[in-house]
Amino acid sequence: NAGVTQTPKFQVLKTGQSMTLQCAQDMNHNSMYWYRQDPGMGLRLIYYSASEGTTDKGEVPNGYNVSRLNKREFSLRLESAAPSQTSVYFCASPPGNLETQYFGPGTRLLVL
Amino acid sequence: GNSVTQMEGPVTLSEEAFLTINCTYTATGYPSLFWYVQYPGEGLQLLLKATKADDKGSNKGFEATYRKETTSFHLEKGSVQVSDSAVYFCALVNTGFQKLVFGTGTRLLVSP
Repeated sequence: NAGVTQTPKFQVLKTGQSMTLQCAQDMNHNSMYWYRQDPGMGLRLIYYSASEGTTDKGEVPNGYNVSRLNKREFSLRLESAAPSQTSVYFCASPPGNLETQYFGPGTRLLVL
Repeated sequence: GNSVTQMEGPVTLSEEAFLTINCTYTATGYPSLFWYVQYPGEGLQLLLKATKADDKGSNKGFEATYRKETTSFHLEKGSVQVSDSAVYFCALVNTGFQKLVFGTGTRLLVSP
């Protein structure tokens, strides 16, 4: 039981390149979330998926797209990376009660 | 709207010192309150929670009491250890708004 896994752990992109961050959970949870963490800003919600087949915008969705591929997987895509998207990205998944969100280890992204 | 304000860090303490990290919140209704901890290089883990006024959450020697009259949820520990060095996040979730709102985080550094 791995919980929430994320790939890659670290990535460097040039401005304008695209990439997809992968997240998977093996806890059979319905909901999955993508956050970004920036110094002095805490965690901000990018997108979330309340159930398979649904996605909704969070606080900071601009420049991102998501896909809830199946119940286990929720990917985050940057179509044209910008330096402002340099951040640490966390995927999380709660059971039915929202508060005990389980977080993945994070993906550190640097956009040059 | 809903928001969480935490004291800025870093908080620097010697081992066995008393810890307080302040957290205040703004929310309508009756939110649930949480403290999460992030150890270096890892994702966030739930440390403790309180779901109604005057509740005290506790875990691993840490405590926090939900004070509705002062809209606060301060984190305390009587005797910190070097292994407590981490970033601590206060967060809330409000009824009918099923998303966690995080504070900006407070870094704790404990020296031997």
